Amino acid sequence: DAKTTQPNSMESNEEEPVHLPCNHSTISGTDYIHWYRQLPSQGPEYVIHGLTSNVNNRMASLAIAEDRKSSTLILHRATLRDAAVYYCILRPRSYNTDKLIFGTGTRLQVFP
Amino acid sequence: DVKVTQSSRYLVKRTGEKVFLECVQDMDHENMFWYRQDPGLGLRLIYFSYDVKMKEKGDIPEGYSVSREKKERFSLILESASTNQTSMYLCASSPGLAGVVYNEQFFGPGTRLTVL
Repeated sequence: DAKTTQPNSMESNEEEPVHLPCNHSTISGTDYIHWYRQLPSQGPEYVIHGLTSNVNNRMASLAIAEDRKSSTLILHRATLRDAAVYYCILRPRSYNTDKLIFGTGTRLQVFP
Repeated sequence: DVKVTQSSRYLVKRTGEKVFLECVQDMDHENMFWYRQDPGLGLRLIYFSYDVKMKEKGDIPEGYSVSREKKERFSLILESASTNQTSMYLCASSPGLAGVVYNEQFFGPGTRLTVL
C-alpha cells in the first residue's frame, strides 16, 4: 500500500485559512486520496476525498497536485472546533470493502 | 444520522480474562471494522467484515477474534487479555453500496480498554 507523509503538527489562528499538506510520492494511478479528522475524545470522521480534480464540500477543499504526488486539505476559515488530528489516506480503487490504512496524521491547533 | 455505538467508553480487565467489545450500527451497513489506536502508531485495522458471518483479517489480528452473527452487530473478542492490548478500540461501519466507488466510514466513540 502506498504511504503518505504529513507534518506531525500545525498551528493556526481562528478565522484564518489553513493548508494541511500531504505527500504521497508513490501513489498509483487508481489510488483515491481521502481525508479524515479526529476531534478530541471522538472517533474519526470523514472530511473529503478525490482522485485527480480539486474537490469542495461544506467542510473543506482538497487541492490535488497535477502529478498527484501531493495534496493539500484547505480549511477556509479555521474555527476552534477544527482543532483535531487530520489524516491523509490513500485508498486503492481495487478495494471493495472500503478498507482504510491510517497514518499518524497532523495535529492541528487553533488559537483564538 | 448514522449511529455507531460501542458498549462501553471505558473498560478495565485483568490479564487472562476473556473480553468482549460490542459494536452496533443502526443504518443497515454492509461493512464493519475494528481498529485499535495507540499513541505514535495511529489507527491500525484489526479485523473487518463485509457481510454477516464473513470476516477478514486486518493488519494486526493476532490475539483477537471477531463475530458477526447479525448485520448490525460486530463483536471484537480478546480470548485472553494481555497488558499489551491496553488501547483505544474504535469500531466503524460503511454502507458497501454496490457500484459506488467509495463509501464513507462512520466511527463510534471508542472504548478505552485497560488490561491490568
